[in-house]
Amino acid sequence: AQSVSQHNHHVILSEAASLELGCNYSYGGTVNLFWYVQYPGQHLQLLLKYFSGDPLVKGIKGFEAEFIKSKFSFNLRKPSVQWSDTAEYFCAVNGEIYNQGGKLIFGQGTELSVKP
Amino acid sequence: GAVVSQHPSRVICKSGTSVKIECRSLDFQATTMFWYRQFPKQSLMLMATSNEGSKATYEQGVEKDKFLINHASLTLSTLTVTSAHPEDSSFYICSARVGVQIDTQYFGPGTRLTVL
Repeated sequence: AQSVSQHNHHVILSEAASLELGCNYSYGGTVNLFWYVQYPGQHLQLLLKYFSGDPLVKGIKGFEAEFIKSKFSFNLRKPSVQWSDTAEYFCAVNGEIYNQGGKLIFGQGTELSVKP
Repeated sequence: GAVVSQHPSRVICKSGTSVKIECRSLDFQATTMFWYRQFPKQSLMLMATSNEGSKATYEQGVEKDKFLINHASLTLSTLTVTSAHPEDSSFYICSARVGVQIDTQYFGPGTRLTVL
């Protein structure tokens, strides 16, 4: 069965610090990978996604993620965080692309708190 | 584009009653919608996959008779929590899938259910 693991449950950073949130998945086949963000009181929004091609994916708001197939990882990065980045971040995997398709498996989430 | 709405956003009901939650894709047609449950400070757990015009596919451990899902049109799916009990209190989130090749889900704002 597929699973997604986010190593950091709660990360606290000061503004302008660099961010890297870890995400590892277990699935041997072709995967689609996603990072979603949930700001306080708001719904999940797509930050970025990887389907194929360049393993370095750029998303909205200055975020990027790198797919490293050999490590089964898809870590999220941002060079300089802002207070407005305070939110919950979820990594998700879809490994059933050509079967039932569409089923997303989510990681546990990482709460990011950015201190002004 | 790709906006998903949910109604109601918040509902409080007495134990033993049934509650219906609507999920609508406002500016696109969604052949597949998903229902998730999110506990406080935890990840999203997929409950079921809803395909337009057919029976929903439930995840293991989810009671079909308790969580009734109907996907009667390409823009509307409903989740009915039947004979609700306090342990059903949770945050219920739907998502709608855009296409097969694109394979991206857009999420609704969620419905907070409180069963007294």
